[in-house]
Amino acid sequence: NAGVTQTPKFRVLKTGQSMTLLCAQDMNHEYMYWYRQDPGMGLRLIHYSVGEGTTAKGEVPDGYNVSRLKKQNFLLGLESAAPSQTSVYFCASSYDRALNQPQHFGDGTRLSIL
Amino acid sequence: GDSVTQMEGPVTLSEEAFLTINCTYTATGYPSLFWYVQYPGEGLQLLLKATKADDKGSNKGFEATYRKETTSFHLEKGSVQVSDSAVYFCALKRDNYGQNFVFGPGTRLSVLP
Repeated sequence: NAGVTQTPKFRVLKTGQSMTLLCAQDMNHEYMYWYRQDPGMGLRLIHYSVGEGTTAKGEVPDGYNVSRLKKQNFLLGLESAAPSQTSVYFCASSYDRALNQPQHFGDGTRLSIL
Repeated sequence: GDSVTQMEGPVTLSEEAFLTINCTYTATGYPSLFWYVQYPGEGLQLLLKATKADDKGSNKGFEATYRKETTSFHLEKGSVQVSDSAVYFCALKRDNYGQNFVFGPGTRLSVLP
């Protein structure tokens, strides 16, 4: 009964380093999303995917890339980390576009860029 | 564009007090409405939902009614507990292909013993 699993849970990077955040869901969901949450800013959508092999930009995509090579996985990459990317990152998934299907969230990845 | 507005927090209540967190929305069409709760250090959890006008969602003593005429989905609980301290997010889901969820900014609730 895992749901949405994010790895790692915590990470500290230096400016300019790269890393990949992994999101895995075991609910056979079509839609997957990456958000960032900053104090006073609520949730902001970075990228999303409506199915395997597809990705699209959200409202704050700059500095991030994503891939959805397998239906169950959605990867978020930071090619050259910047202090402005210090945040808590949440992955979510949804079964499909049907209105009664909610989003299911992971527990988050806390990322600090020094 | 579509949007969700919530009452600004933080909201501080004493245990067993009545809770209302206001949520209003702007959307084209007929969205579904959701309340999520986020406990400290955790992700968002679905609290309740309503998919059409006049539906009432309820869970764990919380309830909210989808009011199309006032475009509102206010969250209520008759008697809050210290364990209800969390951030509450109102959200809508619209019927479109792609970026289909819109979240409110969240309202922090603190319940004092």
